[in-house]
Amino acid sequence: GAGVSQSPRYKVAKRGQDVALRCDPISGHVSLFWYQQALGQGPEFLTYFQNEAQLDKSGLPSDRFFAERPEGSVSTLKIQRTQQEDSAVYLCASSLARGQGNTIYFGEGSWLTVV
Amino acid sequence: TQLLEQSPQFLSIQEGENLTVYCNSSSVFSSLQWYRQEPGEGPVLLVTVVTGGEVKKLKRLTFQFGDARKDSSLHITAAQPGDTGLYLCAGPPGGATNKLIFGTGTLLAVQP
Repeated sequence: GAGVSQSPRYKVAKRGQDVALRCDPISGHVSLFWYQQALGQGPEFLTYFQNEAQLDKSGLPSDRFFAERPEGSVSTLKIQRTQQEDSAVYLCASSLARGQGNTIYFGEGSWLTVV
Repeated sequence: TQLLEQSPQFLSIQEGENLTVYCNSSSVFSSLQWYRQEPGEGPVLLVTVVTGGEVKKLKRLTFQFGDARKDSSLHITAAQPGDTGLYLCAGPPGGATNKLIFGTGTLLAVQP
C-alpha cells in the first residue's frame, strides 16, 4: 500500500497477556517512530529507529515494552504482561530520512484495550 | 521538559463561524507543526512553520508562529463540518531531529 500500515487495528488483551503490534512503513522510509496516544490527547513518543538501529527508546514506559526492526523495514512493538494502563492507541509513523524537513506519515494506529 | 499546551481543549461551533486555536510553550522551538486527526485515523500534517513571525495560509486555515518561537496559532475562517477533528501542534524538543512532542490537543466539532 501507499501509506503506513498497522496491524491489528483492534486488540483486546487480558491483563497479563503479551501482545505484538506490527507496523509496515512506507517503502524506502528510513526513519520509523512509535507513539502512544490516550483518548483525546496528543501522541507521546515511545521510540525511534533509523533503518534497523534503535537510536532512541527514551519514551518506552517500562521494560515490558520492547520494539524491534530487524531488517530495517517492518517493525514490531511488543508489550509483555499487559496492564490496564497500557490501553491506548499505538501509532506508527515513518519518514524518508532523519531531519526536521522530512514529513512524518502516520498509520491509522492499533487500538489496544486491556481488560 | 518542553511542554506544548493547547487551548481551548474542546470547541463546538456552528458552520460558518471563525475560530482560533492556540499552542503555547515556555520553551523555544526551532519549528512547530500542526496536524489534524480524524476519528480512527492517524494525525495528518497540515503545515510546518519555521521562522519567528511567519504566517502561512492553507485555504481557510491561517497558521502563525510567534516572534519568539514559543507559541503558534491556527485560525479557521468560515468553519465547515469537514474541519471537525483533533488539532495537534507538535515540535522537536531541544532541536531534536528524531522525535516530536505533541500538544495536549484541541477537539473541534463543527455543527452543520
